[in-house]
Amino acid sequence: EVYLEESGGGLVQPGGSLRLSCTASGFTFSDHYMDWVRQAPGKGLEWVGRIKHRSDGYITQYAASVTGRFTISRDDSKNSLFLQMNSLTTDDTATYYCARRATPGLTWDSWGQGTLVTVSS
Amino acid sequence: DVQMTQSPSTLSASVGDRVSISCRASENINTWLAWFQQRPGKAPRLLIYKAISLHTGVPSRFSGSGSGREFTLTISSLQPDDFATYYCLQNDRYPLTFGPGTKVDI
Repeated sequence: EVYLEESGGGLVQPGGSLRLSCTASGFTFSDHYMDWVRQAPGKGLEWVGRIKHRSDGYITQYAASVTGRFTISRDDSKNSLFLQMNSLTTDDTATYYCARRATPGLTWDSWGQGTLVTVSS
Repeated sequence: DVQMTQSPSTLSASVGDRVSISCRASENINTWLAWFQQRPGKAPRLLIYKAISLHTGVPSRFSGSGSGREFTLTISSLQPDDFATYYCLQNDRYPLTFGPGTKVDI
């Protein structure tokens, strides 16, 4: 069974940094693109960014709202995905989900349960 | 960026009703459109991909249609578990963008 579990969320001050992790199991992690999607409290879903797999050079793509501040990386040997978040603002307060991109349809067929990041002084 | 809109924003319905949710893209996205269901406090769940394909394990009362810029999600007979918020997503080009969501309530 595919399983994704995020961790690392919490309270951080504006301007601070936080690193989220996503641990995967139940599938060949290295074969898949992986994404981060976030949801501010009471709001809709927002795509944050993507990291491709090794065959596609681990290329990353980001939403404009996080470009230059957030960095996505992965460690295929540990079945892990990461989101390094710097220069955080209150607008970054959200639940952050990691998601697996499946080959049919090229969209997310599996999601973690999410981890809450609160940016506040 | 491709802008996604959905209508209605809220839909009030009863168990057994047939309901449809519309999604419109600001540009042609062919059939690169997915639908997700999200219940309160839960992660989104994939329902439909490539506009019309039912994801594994999703009940057949869910169906998708459309191409280009206009898409529809239909639930043929609403069940209690279906009261949730539904989002469309375009995955034709970066940045990937969601519609604002449609809340289906009683």
